[in-house]
Amino acid sequence: GAVVSQHPSRVICKSGTSVKIECRSLDFQATTMFWYRQFPKQSLMLMATSNEGSKATYEQGVEKDKFLINHASLTLSTLTVTSAHPEDSSFYICSAGGAGTDTQYFGPGTRLTVL
Amino acid sequence: GQSLEQPSEVTAVEGAIVQINCTYQTSGFYGLSWYQQHDGGAPTFLSYNALDGLEETGRFSSFLSRSDSYGYLLLQELQMKDSASYFCAVSTDSSYKLIFGSGTRLLVRP
Repeated sequence: GAVVSQHPSRVICKSGTSVKIECRSLDFQATTMFWYRQFPKQSLMLMATSNEGSKATYEQGVEKDKFLINHASLTLSTLTVTSAHPEDSSFYICSAGGAGTDTQYFGPGTRLTVL
Repeated sequence: GQSLEQPSEVTAVEGAIVQINCTYQTSGFYGLSWYQQHDGGAPTFLSYNALDGLEETGRFSSFLSRSDSYGYLLLQELQMKDSASYFCAVSTDSSYKLIFGSGTRLLVRP
């Protein structure tokens, strides 16, 4: 099956700092990558969709200047949470789809805690 | 609007069979996906249906009826480790973008 990795799995940072999360497709070329966040006991909330080489498309209510997304290659997308605050603490999950896949495959997620 | 409906919770006994239904109302339809998510983990892919009928993968099967806008996930020979949340999701075009249901929490009892 299609494998997606995510790094780091867990990060704790101080308020006001920036955090970068990497998402990689390991065995397929991900033309499209997605970034979600999930709060406890809730469903996934799509934050943005990125296509390789293009600017990301953000969902309504998601601040694009706060959540910077880069998808510079067919195997790597990054999400940078800028000037993080405690309310940004959440579980961030990436997923990817591309040639040879019918649907999205998810990374293992990154748990962000902002102190 | 676009919506998917699935039961919020299901409880079953170890060794039993359980069916989780999903009905959808979307502007288009390309395929129905199912994911499993354990507490604290990310969703993992279970199955995908684009055409009517039953897809079987080990203990798990997934069914789709496009005319009824309906699908289900069937879990057989339930094990304790199957206790998790299960999400159905619809792709409305070839973009890989998914619309998710709110998830069904399955509790398997001994």
